[in-house]
Amino acid sequence: GNSVTQMEGPVTLSEEAFLTINCTYTATGYPSLFWYVQYPGEGLQLLLKATKADDKGSNKGFEATYRKETTSFHLEKGSVQVSDSAVYFCALDSSYKLIFGSGTRLLVRP
Amino acid sequence: EPEVTQTPSHQVTQMGQEVILRCVPISNHLYFYWYRQILGQKVEFLVSFYNNEISEKSEIFDDQFSVERPDGSNFTLKIRSTKLEDSAMYFCASGQGDDTGELFFGEGSRLTVL
Repeated sequence: GNSVTQMEGPVTLSEEAFLTINCTYTATGYPSLFWYVQYPGEGLQLLLKATKADDKGSNKGFEATYRKETTSFHLEKGSVQVSDSAVYFCALDSSYKLIFGSGTRLLVRP
Repeated sequence: EPEVTQTPSHQVTQMGQEVILRCVPISNHLYFYWYRQILGQKVEFLVSFYNNEISEKSEIFDDQFSVERPDGSNFTLKIRSTKLEDSAMYFCASGQGDDTGELFFGEGSRLTVL
């Protein structure tokens, strides 16, 4: 079945460091791909999405490119801030529902 | 901006009691969902609902669980006889069922079973 695999956390970075959180997927066809973010004590918020191969989703300085060759959708940010500390979930659309990865906790230190 | 709202934000209950979690999805959405997140773990799909019936459910969604859309605006999750392992954050979500597959989530209802 369809599934999402994320790198395990926590990821701890200093402010202004470069961030990569790896995400790979297994799916039939070409599903839409998403990154959701969960800030402490809050619900899930859509961060960015890509609906077809080679699309790049971007928001708040975060980017991810839909790579069908490597079945990946890695999340990147050039310079993280303390306020980016959160749990990041990669997800794919599967028959009108989302399947989530296990989440990666990011901790950014001043 | 339209949003999904959930109540209560936190409920504490005794094992064996019935619990109803409520959600108001975004008004023009057609698909409704419940997800569960046990503390520190992944977000798990429970059930999807479309056209006034369950369209898909996971293995977690056993006979103790039920969903209902009683009045065209609310979407409820009922747990008939709660167990300790039902303690989790429950997220309601809704979507238009369009090509993007995007879902909009509420802020969650934390259920604590004692």
